[in-house]
Amino acid sequence: EDQVTQSPEALRLQEGESSSLNCSYTVSGLRGLFWYRQDPGKGPEFLFTLYSAGEEKEKERLKATLTKKESFLHITAPKPEDSATYLCAVDTGRRALTFGSGTRLQVQP
Amino acid sequence: ETGVTQSPTHLIKTRGQQVTLRCSSQSGHNTVSWYQQALGQGPQFIFQYYREEENGRGNFPPRFSGLQFPNYSSELNVNALELDDSALYLCASSPSEETQYFGPGTRLLVL
Repeated sequence: EDQVTQSPEALRLQEGESSSLNCSYTVSGLRGLFWYRQDPGKGPEFLFTLYSAGEEKEKERLKATLTKKESFLHITAPKPEDSATYLCAVDTGRRALTFGSGTRLQVQP
Repeated sequence: ETGVTQSPTHLIKTRGQQVTLRCSSQSGHNTVSWYQQALGQGPQFIFQYYREEENGRGNFPPRFSGLQFPNYSSELNVNALELDDSALYLCASSPSEETQYFGPGTRLLVL
């Protein structure tokens, strides 16, 4: 059974304090790993797709990386508007995304 | 903006009732998926439709059913509502089997 585990469950940072979120996965065959951002009461907003180990993608203060067993979402010099829940999901080609439970990030000014 | 809209935004039902949730996706997005998200959890896959045919299903009972229409709209129907069905229901569409773009969701409360 495909499993996705995200850590930590919650993270509180000071503005400007860089950190990383972890997504570890156990799947039979990875077709893609996705990162989404979700604000309270809203739908997930697409951030990145990673397809193979060693791949990296960046967007503003966010950088996602992928290995054979896990993915990291690095947040550099975060701002309060980066506060949200960050969700990781895997696509194993079975026509469904399997999500982790997310990391709730709070960035304090 | 993802171009995916859902209605209604909020809904309150009582146990045993039936509910229909609606989703409208972008033109050309032939694949639509529905997810259930309980509070504090990640979304769970309910089912997927491709060109109006069910194309995959998660671990949900048959009282969860769906339809997809030629105009890129779709429906999620839930019969015999249970208290545990209270959740945020998300619709996601994609032009291919790759990135799925989510709508804002429908918050369902079952009393």
